[in-house]
Amino acid sequence: KNQVEQSPQSLIILEGKNCTLQCNYTVSPFSNLRWYKQDTGRGPVSLTIMTFSENTKSNGRYTATLDADTKQSSLHITASQLSDSASYICVVSAISGGSNYKLTFGKGTLLTVNP
Amino acid sequence: SAVISQKPSRDICQRGTSLTIQCQVDSQVTMMFWYRQQPGQSLTLIATANQGSEATYESGFVIDKFPISRPNLTFSTLTVSNMSPEDSSIYLCSVRTGWDSEAFFGQGTRLTVV
Repeated sequence: KNQVEQSPQSLIILEGKNCTLQCNYTVSPFSNLRWYKQDTGRGPVSLTIMTFSENTKSNGRYTATLDADTKQSSLHITASQLSDSASYICVVSAISGGSNYKLTFGKGTLLTVNP
Repeated sequence: SAVISQKPSRDICQRGTSLTIQCQVDSQVTMMFWYRQQPGQSLTLIATANQGSEATYESGFVIDKFPISRPNLTFSTLTVSNMSPEDSSIYLCSVRTGWDSEAFFGQGTRLTVV
């Protein structure tokens, strides 16, 4: 069964600090992995996409890594800001018959950045 | 990219009633989906809204409970029928321009059934 596990479930940090969120998956056959940010009361918004051949990708203060061998990904947030407070969701895409792709969502990590 | 307008943003409904959620996209998209997001849980796909034909439902979801319409490539509705408190959740509309492309989401509808 395809699964995406995220840790920690929640995290509280001080403004300006760095943090790393983890994502382990058992999805196959793997197509790509995306990290989404979901602000309270809003829909998820894509931050990064990682394909099988990519190890690291950055988007401003967000850096995602992927180890396709161990099926692990991380999202590192540098110099956190109050606006980073949100839920971060790991989403893995798998090929599902022919040209169809199925998304498997993690439960998310709830990040709170305090002043 | 795609901009999605979903409404209502929230509602409180009596059990036994029905609520229809609307999803409007600013461009024509082939693929449109409806998700449910329960507290502390991952997004769960309810169904794929097919333009001009019946929606494709995931296991555990049925048309009588969650009827879906998709009259054109920019609009869809999801109805939550005969609601019970267990239906309290966030419902999200999502679109993709291709099967393996980025998923865009509406802001969600927070439904509370009392």
